[in-house]
Amino acid sequence: EAGVVQSPRYKIIEKKQPVAFWCNPISGHNTLYWYLQNLGQGPELLIRYENEEAVDDSQLPKDRFSAERLKGVDSTLKIQPAELGDSAVYLCASSLGLSGPRNEQFFGPGTRLTVL
Amino acid sequence: GENVEQHPSTLSVQEGDSAVIKCTYSDSASNYFPWYKQELGKGPQLIIDIRSNVGEKKDQRIAVTLNKTAKHFSLHITETQPEDSAVYFCAAINEKLTFGTGTRLTIIP
Repeated sequence: EAGVVQSPRYKIIEKKQPVAFWCNPISGHNTLYWYLQNLGQGPELLIRYENEEAVDDSQLPKDRFSAERLKGVDSTLKIQPAELGDSAVYLCASSLGLSGPRNEQFFGPGTRLTVL
Repeated sequence: GENVEQHPSTLSVQEGDSAVIKCTYSDSASNYFPWYKQELGKGPQLIIDIRSNVGEKKDQRIAVTLNKTAKHFSLHITETQPEDSAVYFCAAINEKLTFGTGTRLTIIP
């Protein structure tokens, strides 16, 4: 069984440019998460989807970040415009079922973003 | 919201010895405590978890203990091997998964 797929794996952009990350969860997983991981820190939740509905986006900086999961499968996270402080690893995770974060979350390898 | 503290931030042990990582949490409503292992260039992977109605759980060389009264939980790895070298994260779940700051474990051959 394929795991969570993320692309690109690495992205280098200049500040003020837009960037987008893509995630394909494990087949059949209803819940999808985007996390931000700064160097030397644990992941922090940005947004959680149950099917196509964003049920927790309280930590998503909505002035520059947006996310979508149009058909309840793949998801895209976008930053526009990017700032120097956005340099981090962006992790996608998925879990089976709709009972919240207590189901085991399977993480993708992440996208490492560097903003110059 | 929940706050999870994790110690130590780095840990080096001789191969074959035991390693212990400790965490505390702040929200008494948290009731599920997973532990993740993250290897370089990979996402975190669940290695063991414990729910609040259990005080201890063991899986081969890995064990977790939970003290709800003190809001402490710990990861114990026995007979450490070089492949145990990684960053380990504790976490607590109430409404969302809150991670600790991580422990970089190095096993010295």
